[in-house]
Amino acid sequence: GAGVSQSPRYKVTKRGQDVTLRCDPISSHATLYWYQQALGQGPEFLTYFNYEAQPDKSGLPSDRFSAERPEGSISTLTIQRTEQRDSAMYRCASSSRGQEETQYFGPGTRLLVL
Amino acid sequence: AQSVTQPDIHITVSEGASLELRCNYSYGATPYLFWYVQSPGQGLQLLLKYFSGDTLVQGIKGFEAEFKRSQSSFNLRKPSVHWSDAAEYFCAGGMEYGNKLVFGAGTILRVKS
Repeated sequence: GAGVSQSPRYKVTKRGQDVTLRCDPISSHATLYWYQQALGQGPEFLTYFNYEAQPDKSGLPSDRFSAERPEGSISTLTIQRTEQRDSAMYRCASSSRGQEETQYFGPGTRLLVL
Repeated sequence: AQSVTQPDIHITVSEGASLELRCNYSYGATPYLFWYVQSPGQGLQLLLKYFSGDTLVQGIKGFEAEFKRSQSSFNLRKPSVHWSDAAEYFCAGGMEYGNKLVFGAGTILRVKS
């Protein structure tokens, strides 16, 4: 596509429910990133994919968080048993391989856990 | 640990005045450096980036930034601010390919008429 898209744009859920967020990167981009942005803060790295491989998931805050990209294009981020502290903006970015890497961001998904 | 610091949480400038937003980084080596802008309801838009070479980088919307190795800084500037520049600005650093970006906490710019 022309840009990175994310869905849903807003998600309200109750504590304890599972949620799945979706990211559709720029079609030619091999690399996809997930970030979490708390209110009043900058985005913080969660994990990234190179095609379908997931070389780094060091930023995932707990084992309730998981991400996948099974065919090397669309990715999902799943949060199990959501907690109120999971409320944040979740941002996806993609980039192409190359020496001058630039990450292009989607509009984000605002998650509110009640 | 790698870090990016934006010392100013809020800045207010008059329309037509000049602007400088500060950014300092702490990395073991010179990182790639970026400035992004976030408008309400919008995603993060890239303003400009520095990888190597000329330390004065030109970006979109009339913004520029200067990389100063001696000061570990990458400050964003604009000679004349427009009301539409009101937004939140983020400085970020990264290393080699496939590495995460580390963001500052952001600076909220308010433009008064």
